[in-house]
Amino acid sequence: DTGVSQDPRHKITKRGQNVTFRCDPISEHNRLYWYRQTLGQGPEFLTYFQNEAQLEKSRLLSDRFSAERPKGSFSTLEIQRTEQGDSAMYLCASSLEVSGELFFGEGSRLTVL
Amino acid sequence: DAKTTQPPSMDCAEGRAANLPCNHSTISGNEYVYWYRQIHSQGPQYIIHGLKNNETNEMASLIITEDRKSSTLILPHATLRDTAVYYCIVRASPYGGATNKLIFGTGTLLAVQP
Repeated sequence: DTGVSQDPRHKITKRGQNVTFRCDPISEHNRLYWYRQTLGQGPEFLTYFQNEAQLEKSRLLSDRFSAERPKGSFSTLEIQRTEQGDSAMYLCASSLEVSGELFFGEGSRLTVL
Repeated sequence: DAKTTQPPSMDCAEGRAANLPCNHSTISGNEYVYWYRQIHSQGPQYIIHGLKNNETNEMASLIITEDRKSSTLILPHATLRDTAVYYCIVRASPYGGATNKLIFGTGTLLAVQP
């Protein structure tokens, strides 16, 4: 499968724990995005990378959240000291710089107890 | 990005055409209209996009009014697998270094009935 892959697909954690999600974009795509989606809402933009540079961050991305894309390939999204309000689906997408189409992964669902 | 307005839900009979409307009255001249859909428990999937001309691909047709203030996504022969949330999004051209991000609303839940 050459699409966007995300891992893990499901994560259950206790409040206060740290969690990390990984995204592997389509190999030739130099742009990578993270979104968050809660029940009944559309995906909300969190952050965007072009190659390894993080070029934009939403105000939704509090200081407990950090995203990296160290070599311009895969990316990680870490949430520290999780709160129940962090429970959501975390979606990753990638695109070519000159394309209008974003390709999304299946998402990582986080449940904070 | 300009905001869009979509009905929260629609029904369509299987085999019939599904026409999903979208209002984007504040769209700017350089903004495109994009449609994505999200089937339950999956990530959003690109359907089609256009600037001012009508567009058609293997999935759907996009009809944009002459004043560009509204558009309609047409699924010509809806199947049960087309049941999904459909998002209409407007954004500036992705070319020339723009962020390329999409700003989603709450979309239209299309329920295709057998």
